[in-house]
Amino acid sequence: DTEVTQTPKHLVMGMTNKKSLKCEQHMGHRAMYWYKQKAKKPPELMFVYSYEKLSINESVPSRFSPECPNSSLLNLHLHALQPEDSALYLCASSQAGTGDNEQFFGPGTRLTVL
Amino acid sequence: AQSVTQLDSQVPVFEEAPVELRCNYSSSVSVYLFWYVQYPNQGLQLLLKYLSGSTLVESINGFEAEFNKSQTSFHLRKPSVHISDTAEYFCAVSRPSGYSTLTFGKGTMLLVSP
Repeated sequence: DTEVTQTPKHLVMGMTNKKSLKCEQHMGHRAMYWYKQKAKKPPELMFVYSYEKLSINESVPSRFSPECPNSSLLNLHLHALQPEDSALYLCASSQAGTGDNEQFFGPGTRLTVL
Repeated sequence: AQSVTQLDSQVPVFEEAPVELRCNYSSSVSVYLFWYVQYPNQGLQLLLKYLSGSTLVESINGFEAEFNKSQTSFHLRKPSVHISDTAEYFCAVSRPSGYSTLTFGKGTMLLVSP
């Protein structure tokens, strides 16, 4: 299984809602990533987990809260988002957190904040 | 720190014509180089990568890229494109040590028309 799955595919939420994005991989990868991608732009790194520990937080606002319950799962909890947070949220994984390892990307969750 | 420049935001070509998508990078240390492709409404897929060894790397679907250290370039080429190659192409670099964080270029939209 060389797939990263993400649910839901689409999400519409109001600014007062609380929602979560889910990412799952069964490739035995120990590094997992969250990216944010705006239209016509490259992905921007948000968080990196390595061996289930948060390794990198790219100064992401606290209204985004990542969680890695186990080595296969990665969640992104959303609360009090702003309309400018509307974007495609991509999850990725790799064997380990070193530079020569290919990152496998999921299809993304398209988030719209009203 | 490293950076990636993709000189063309959009490249229109006719089917069966050759194409070159340009990528230049800047880094004070050696880097690994990647090309990712993103089809409409999908996540990113690795097209090819250069880690070391032969400077010419090939993908299974006819793309190739050549690492040129003196020109700090990693241009992507295909001798004959298909309609199905229409997609966004991202060049990216990562450092050999530390975490596998990718620095992406802004992307090049390849538009193949009949």
